[in-house]
Amino acid sequence: NAGVTQTPKFRVLKTGQSMTLLCAQDMNHEYMYWYRQDPGMGLRLIHYSVGEGTTAKGEVPDGYNVSRLKKQNFLLGLESAAPSQTSVYFCASSHGGAHSYEQYFGPGTRLTVT
Amino acid sequence: AQKVTQAQTEISVVEKEDVTLDCVYETRDTTYYLFWYKQPPSGELVFLIRRNSFDEQNEISGRYSWNFQKSTSSFNFTITASQVVDSAVYFCALTPPGDFGNEKLTFGTGTRLTIIP
Repeated sequence: NAGVTQTPKFRVLKTGQSMTLLCAQDMNHEYMYWYRQDPGMGLRLIHYSVGEGTTAKGEVPDGYNVSRLKKQNFLLGLESAAPSQTSVYFCASSHGGAHSYEQYFGPGTRLTVT
Repeated sequence: AQKVTQAQTEISVVEKEDVTLDCVYETRDTTYYLFWYKQPPSGELVFLIRRNSFDEQNEISGRYSWNFQKSTSSFNFTITASQVVDSAVYFCALTPPGDFGNEKLTFGTGTRLTIIP
């Protein structure tokens, strides 16, 4: 099993450019998440989805959009990149329900905005 | 509001020494879940343990052990006989239960552990 995969692994953008990060999971998980990791700040939740066709805002959603058209995919979009969005982005997935199951993470995407 | 504090930013120990990583949390929920994740130099996050707040028994898995103390709101992680492969950043995390509890996973800022050969 591939688990959670992310595309691309690295990307450099210029301010104002747009891009989409793709996350795919093959574990049939209901929930999917996008986090950003910045030095000294741990992981912060950007957006999440509790099922196909649903999305919701997390702790730091501004400047990002997401879509979950298929259960196995969760896309993160940056419409107009800013240097403040330079970060490492992690996608994760988990089972849904009341028992707060562990999240499985992808390998990360390192994004630099110049 | 939830909060997870990992006061130890960086720890270095010599190989084969034991080391304990501290995690203190704050929550108003009476039921919650605690997690530890490992982030090795390669960058991916690896799940280590999930613990329900109702279960206060300590857990041991090989060289790893976890001490959950509800009275002090702590969930500490001990590595016995440390090895170089244990070098990583370790994150403690907290979430409440409920159908949509996963989205409220709160991470600490992590502890960077370096094992010196």
